[in-house]
Formats: sequence, C-alpha cells, structure tokens
Amino acid sequence: QKEVEQDPGPLSVPEGAIVSLNCTYSNSAFQYFMWYRQYSRKGPELLMYTYSSGNKEDGRFTAQVDKSSKYISLFIRDSQPSDSATYLCAMSALRGGFKTIFGAGTRLFVKA
Amino acid sequence: ETGVTQSPTHLIKTRGQQVTLRCSSQSGHNTVSWYQQALGQGPQFIFQYYREEENGRGNFPPRFSGLQFPNYSSELNVNALELDDSALYLCASSLGAGVSTTNEQFFGPGTRLTVL
Repeated sequence: QKEVEQDPGPLSVPEGAIVSLNCTYSNSAFQYFMWYRQYSRKGPELLMYTYSSGNKEDGRFTAQVDKSSKYISLFIRDSQPSDSATYLCAMSALRGGFKTIFGAGTRLFVKA
Repeated sequence: ETGVTQSPTHLIKTRGQQVTLRCSSQSGHNTVSWYQQALGQGPQFIFQYYREEENGRGNFPPRFSGLQFPNYSSELNVNALELDDSALYLCASSLGAGVSTTNEQFFGPGTRLTVL
C-alpha cells in the first residue's frame, strides 16, 4: 500500500463546474499538507499549504484536511479551461528531514 | 527575486554513463530537495540538503549523490545510469529545515533525462 493514494483520473468537467480532488494517506505522522498544480512539461507549482487539520481558502481554491480520516481535499470553484493540469497532493511529517511524499496526481480537463 | 532554475533542460545519455544535473535555489533559500518524477507519476523524494549537509534521503541507491555549495546551489549526480533512470528530475528550494520552518517548497522546471 502506498503512503499516499490519489486517483489519477482523468477528470473531465465543463467550464464553471466545482471540482473536487482528494487524497488519502496512511502515515499519521504527516503534519504538512500541500496541493500542487503541474502543467505539462513544467515543474509543480504550490497552490495551497495547510498545517494540521482544518480548512483554508484562497480565491477559487479551498483545501480541507481531516486528520482523523486521513483524508485531504482540494475544491476548485468556477473552474476555467486554464485550470486544466495535473493536481498533486503532497504531505510531510514534522521529523525525518521534511521528506515530502506526493500522490500520483489527478489529471483535470476543464472543457470550454 | 529570482525563482528556482535548473540546467540542462533536456539530456540524453546511454546506459552506464554518469550525469550531473544542476539547480540554483530561489533567492534567500538555504534548503534544496531533489525529486525524480517518472512519466504519469508523482515526484519521488531523492534527498535534501540543508546548509551543505545531507538532511534526509529517500529510497534511492548510493549511485544517486548530491552536493550543495556555499551559495546554496546544488548538484545531483547519478552514476552507472540505468534505463529506469529516465525521468524528469526536479529540484525544490525552501527556507530552513528545522522545526520552525513552514516547509513550503518551490520547484524548478526540471531536467528531462532520457537513458538509452
């Protein structure tokens, strides 16, 4: 079993839809939770960063962390064709050299 | 403020050869992590350097080695290349590696390595 599980998709939605992306994890030591966006042939770009449990909102993006269920989510409101990319969840523990573990990424297509 | 840069952009090597990839950290950052991203997969942590010392290592063999220089730029060296080493190699810089940091990392565009 992988430490971080993420559905690779692809996920295809119409423009304006609300997108829900999710990851589950098995290591209860994870404290830092991130979402990255990666366009084709580019490096990952940090979208959202959350420490421990709770919600965080930034514009059209909302990140949720439920440590009791070992489940994190990213919601994208009013999705745009420019949101079409691969979304990677990532997490790391407080110790261990801050080794960050990534999910496999979910490919998202937003159709105009 | 400049972002994370990597060189070269693309590289083709043959099996058994050695390769050196380079990374310049974002201004003010003293920690560099290297990742391997195979096609269709998420990045896998190789190792991290903090103030020129290796600060943590993932599940990669010793033929993957690194250096960090006093200006916090970094190199990834891979010896005895294998076909499975073909991947996008990413470096990410961050500020600090201690308990008080936020652990936010900023990635470079990557070097695409092809091993034939």
